[in-house]
Amino acid sequence: KQEVTQIPAALSVPEGENLVLNCSFTDSAIYNLQWFRQDPGKGLTSLLLIQSSQREQTSGRLNASLDKSSGRSTLYIAASQPGDSATYLCAVGSNDYKLSFGAGTTVTVRA
Amino acid sequence: EAGVTQSPTHLIKTRGQQATLRCSPISGHTSVYWYQQALGLGLQFLLWYDEGEERNRGNFPPRFSGRQFPNYSSELNVNALELEDSALYLCASSPLTAIRSEAFFGQGTRLTVV
Repeated sequence: KQEVTQIPAALSVPEGENLVLNCSFTDSAIYNLQWFRQDPGKGLTSLLLIQSSQREQTSGRLNASLDKSSGRSTLYIAASQPGDSATYLCAVGSNDYKLSFGAGTTVTVRA
Repeated sequence: EAGVTQSPTHLIKTRGQQATLRCSPISGHTSVYWYQQALGLGLQFLLWYDEGEERNRGNFPPRFSGRQFPNYSSELNVNALELEDSALYLCASSPLTAIRSEAFFGQGTRLTVV
């Protein structure tokens, strides 16, 4: 059974600082890994999708890396802004035919 | 292009009643997933439908059921509602199974059982 862990559970940084969010998973036989953003009481917004054959993906200020062999992914957000305040979730697609989610990291960017 | 749409946005039911939640996937997407997000808990996988068939089911009792229609929209039914069923129910769609392609989520239905 795939287990996904996100550390830290919460993070507070001043505006302009870079954010580093970590995701680890127990079964390295994955198909893909996806990062999402969730605002309070809302649905999930897809940020980045990394296929198992890829090492990283970039979109604007966001960069996600994947190290399948060690079961880790890291999401980097450069030059954080107050609008980046949200909960960030990683989800792993593996051969149990579902996306397994971590509990998320709640980010607060202070103006 | 319209995203994943869910209805209703909010639903209040009494314990023991039945709830029906609806999901319209992005056009061209054949896979639909349902997740439950209870307060303070992570997203728990409920059901996966693809091409009209139930392909996978999470660890939930049989009173959670659903179906997928020929137009790929989906319905989640929860019978004999219990207080602990109160949660945000999220639907996602993808063009292939979500383990092979990007999944897109709707805004959710907030179910409150009183």
